[in-house]
Amino acid sequence: GAVVSQHPSRVICKSGTSVKIECRSLDFQATTMFWYRQFPKQSLMLMATSNEGSKATYEQGVEKDKFLINHASLTLSTLTVTSAHPEDSSFYICSARDTQRGGWDEQFFGPGTRLTVL
Amino acid sequence: LAKTTQPISMDSYEGQEVNITCSHNNIATNDYITWYQQFPSQGPRFIIQGYKTKVTNEVASLFIPADRKSSTLSLPRVSLSDTAVYYCLVGDNQAGTALIFGKGTTLSVSS
Repeated sequence: GAVVSQHPSRVICKSGTSVKIECRSLDFQATTMFWYRQFPKQSLMLMATSNEGSKATYEQGVEKDKFLINHASLTLSTLTVTSAHPEDSSFYICSARDTQRGGWDEQFFGPGTRLTVL
Repeated sequence: LAKTTQPISMDSYEGQEVNITCSHNNIATNDYITWYQQFPSQGPRFIIQGYKTKVTNEVASLFIPADRKSSTLSLPRVSLSDTAVYYCLVGDNQAGTALIFGKGTTLSVSS
């Protein structure tokens, strides 16, 4: 089946620094990708919808200046956590839909990125 | 999007059949029902999707009554490796539509 990869899988950074997380669709094109955040023992929370070639759409309460999203190609979306703070420590997961196929079951999830801010 | 309600947790033993029921009273005509599985520190994995009646694949069955206000995920003969969180999601198949996750059901399988 289709594969979505994320890099890095884990990252530890100091408070105040910025961290970039990459999400790639490996064998299909994705016009739209989604970014989620998941805190321990909680469900996935949608942060934003990443659209290739245009601005991302952010969910209410998500700071677009803090979580910068760039979807520069049909196979790559990046999430940059700027000026990270300990409360940004979380599990970040991306997902992508295969643009060439339809159906809701074609949304594939990446393995996630564990961010720890010291 | 229709809201879903699932049990917070369930316990089972290896070899048993597990049925997880999800209620979605406000499901719309165009909505499908999809179940995902998530292991700790991993992304969710698609299990099964259906619209009405019964759907079966190599890992699970999905039962949907005629009114579609609920659905039941059935896992036959669970093993320890089925311990995970199971999410029921309801929505249409429109391109660009994000999946909105509820709280999910934590299934614990013991030997």
